[in-house]
Amino acid sequence: AQKVTQAQTEISVVEKEDVTLDCVYETRDTTYYLFWYKQPPSGELVFLIRRNSFDEQNEISGRYSWNFQKSTSSFNFTITASQVVDSAVYFCALSGTNYGGATNKLIFGTGTLLAVQP
Amino acid sequence: DTGVSQNPRHKITKRGQNVTFRCDPISEHNRLYWYRQTLGQGPEFLTYFQNEAQLEKSRLLSDRFSAERPKGSFSTLEIQRTEQGDSAMYLCASSLALTSYEQYFGPGTRLTVT
Repeated sequence: AQKVTQAQTEISVVEKEDVTLDCVYETRDTTYYLFWYKQPPSGELVFLIRRNSFDEQNEISGRYSWNFQKSTSSFNFTITASQVVDSAVYFCALSGTNYGGATNKLIFGTGTLLAVQP
Repeated sequence: DTGVSQNPRHKITKRGQNVTFRCDPISEHNRLYWYRQTLGQGPEFLTYFQNEAQLEKSRLLSDRFSAERPKGSFSTLEIQRTEQGDSAMYLCASSLALTSYEQYFGPGTRLTVT
């Protein structure tokens, strides 16, 4: 069975602090994809990043960075120099593949509520 | 390129009534997904379509739920004989199979069953 665990329910930081959101996943698939989505107070899920199981290179995009480690089944997300606008619920998600390699359903974790205080 | 749209945004209904939600995916996206999200939880998969074919349904989708995508464009999700436990945010997402792996979500329809 596939499962995503986000053990941190809520995190509160002060602006400009760095913060890391943890994500641990379980799957028996050899090919799979991992995602992070942001859900701001407005409610709409915003896609942030996708990684496939064959690419363990870390990725950096501006203040965001992601650390994928297959050995520990983790896909952690770090925000550097956090800002108030980063306040949101962040979801990690997992998907397998079928039908020619395209991903199918997303399995989400329970999310981490990040509150960035000014 | 407009995003995924969902209508209505909010729906309040009485227990036992039927409700129908509509989702318009990003144009040319051939995959369309429905999820349900309750307070404090992540979205849970309900069903998905590739073009007009419904390829998978979750066990969460009881017989009271039905989804269609008749022409491979917009989709409808109907809940018959609503129950209070159906109160949730219903999210729609779309993607372009085989060339894109990201699912793009709409704003959701919040259902309240009284």
